[in-house]
Amino acid sequence: QVQLLQSGAEVREPGSSVKVSCKAPGDTLNTHAINWVRQAHGHGLEWMGGIIPIFYRAYYAQNFQGRVTITTDESTSTAYMELNGLKDEDSAVYYCARSRTGLKKHFDLWGRGTLVTVSS
Amino acid sequence: QSALTQPASVSGSPGQSITISCSGTSRDIGNYDFVSWYQQHPGTAPKVIIYDVVNRPSGVSDRFSGSKSGNTASLTISGLQAEDEADYYCSSYTTSSTVVFGGGTKLTVL
Repeated sequence: QVQLLQSGAEVREPGSSVKVSCKAPGDTLNTHAINWVRQAHGHGLEWMGGIIPIFYRAYYAQNFQGRVTITTDESTSTAYMELNGLKDEDSAVYYCARSRTGLKKHFDLWGRGTLVTVSS
Repeated sequence: QSALTQPASVSGSPGQSITISCSGTSRDIGNYDFVSWYQQHPGTAPKVIIYDVVNRPSGVSDRFSGSKSGNTASLTISGLQAEDEADYYCSSYTTSSTVVFGGGTKLTVL
């Protein structure tokens, strides 16, 4: 079954960083963009950014500019999302999701999500 | 980029039809036909049910339909069923080369 495999839950202290991984099947990084979407408990979906691996180009939502970095490792077909300067309100489930041919298209495959808890 | 505007909640009885609106601007919905709708049941990842305004992925019931007029997109669910009770989110590509979601609508099947 085709799926995006995300890394496990993380607990971090305020001010620290977290890096979440998302392993994609087969040729995904050559044909799709990988997006990161987060959802705080009881809240809606928030797009953080996305990367188009074949163009080595990442795009970020204004709310996260300067605090998030999205990268890929083609050798392992894995995408990463690193969030710095963590605050309590960054506690959320972080999803990766793929979209074909860039960011314009819909997210047709999602990971199961990674719970990040920020707490002192 | 502000979130797209959706009603917080809608409800309907089994068999009825409901429509969820998604209001944006000329910088997103009004500029592109890259509007998608996602269904999310509690504790699960979202699932796309409508893409490019009107298209349904394979396997999605034809009771789900989408449309757009100007800066507003809409999702209609006909013949409501208990299993349709979920949260629904719209999204759009934007002129800033980013993606924006709506705030989400909780559908209750009475």
